[in-house]
Amino acid sequence: AQSVTQLGSHVSVSEGALVLLRCNYSSSVPPYLFWYVQYPNQGLQLLLKYTSAATLVKGINGFEAEFKKSETSFHLTKPSAHMSDAAEYFCAVRPMDSSYKLIFGSGTRLLVRP
Amino acid sequence: KAGVTQTPRYLIKTRGQQVTLSCSPISGHRSVSWYQQTPGQGLQFLFEYFSETQRNKGNFPGRFSGRQFSNSRSEMNVSTLELGDSALYLCASSLGAAGDSAEAFFGQGTRLTVV
Repeated sequence: AQSVTQLGSHVSVSEGALVLLRCNYSSSVPPYLFWYVQYPNQGLQLLLKYTSAATLVKGINGFEAEFKKSETSFHLTKPSAHMSDAAEYFCAVRPMDSSYKLIFGSGTRLLVRP
Repeated sequence: KAGVTQTPRYLIKTRGQQVTLSCSPISGHRSVSWYQQTPGQGLQFLFEYFSETQRNKGNFPGRFSGRQFSNSRSEMNVSTLELGDSALYLCASSLGAAGDSAEAFFGQGTRLTVV
């Protein structure tokens, strides 16, 4: 069965610092990969997705992620953190078949220090 | 374009009761999925409906059920509520074509508290 591992339940950075949130998936065949963000008492908002078209994916709010098949990773980065980036981030995978079942990682809470 | 609408936003129910949650997907989307989010278990897939048929099901007891109507709106029902059913229930809407790469768009969720 496919699974997703997000290293670090909490990540703390200073405003202006690099943001790096880690995601590894387990699958023999690369799935579709997604990063979502969740603000308190809100639903999930899509940041970006990987669909095999390009390994470096740019998303909203200055975030990007790089798909590395050899490392089965899809880490999320942002060059400079803003206070408004403080939220919980979820990595998710979906098999490239007809299933629309998303398998989520356990989430990483990003704290941004002033 | 309207987003995914879930009603109600908040619910308080008593153990043993049943509850029905509603989800209206984005216009033109035919796939609706439901997820349960709890602090302990995280985000877990409940089921997915496409064109009024359940296409996929997660690992939840039969007390959890759902359906989809011809206009793609979906409802999920939980019978004989237990304290552990307290969670944020999220609905996601997608285009739903087989094998496509379309993303899922989520609603704001329904916060269910069982007392």
